[in-house]
Amino acid sequence: EVQLVESGGGLVQPGRSLKLSCAASGFTFSNYGMAWVRQTPTKGLEWVASISTGGGNTYYRDSVKGRFTISRDNAKNTQYLQMDSLRSEDTATYYCARHGGDYWGQGVMVTVSS
Amino acid sequence: DIQMTQAPSSLPASLGDRVTITCRASQDIGNYLRWFQQKPGKSPRLMIYGATNLAAGVPSRFSGSRSGSDYSLTISSLESEDMADYYCLQSKESPLTFGSGTKLEIK
Repeated sequence: EVQLVESGGGLVQPGRSLKLSCAASGFTFSNYGMAWVRQTPTKGLEWVASISTGGGNTYYRDSVKGRFTISRDNAKNTQYLQMDSLRSEDTATYYCARHGGDYWGQGVMVTVSS
Repeated sequence: DIQMTQAPSSLPASLGDRVTITCRASQDIGNYLRWFQQKPGKSPRLMIYGATNLAAGVPSRFSGSRSGSDYSLTISSLESEDMADYYCLQSKESPLTFGSGTKLEIK
């Protein structure tokens, strides 16, 4: 059974950092591109970032470029999202997803507030 | 960026109805269009990929179609378990972009 389990969310002050993790199981992790998607009640679903199978290619939405870094460790079957210089508008539920969206994690809440 | 214009935002319907949700792409995305269903408190679920292909485990009352830059998700006979939010997603190029969503609710 494919499982994606996110962790690392929480409450953080503006300007600070947070690192999300997504532990994958039930499939050959290194064969799949991965992504992070976030959701808010007002903006709906937003694709945040994607990473290729080997990690050599990464893609970001403009609003997070230079602040967020997506990475992966295929030996640990885990992908990450390092979020720096967080802003209030980054407040959202963050989902880990297999590229293409056929599998999603349960989501983790990130709240950026003083 | 490619804009995905989704309509309607809300769709009241009765059980047994045939319903259609539409997304229009601002530029050519070919068949790089996916549809997702999301129920309250749950993660999105892939329903359709490649504009017309049913994802694994999705009931056959769901179907996807394309006419030019317009993409549609149709439910042939609405069941209570179909009440949810639906989103389209273009995966032709980065940044990937979602439609704004359609809330399907009981009339």
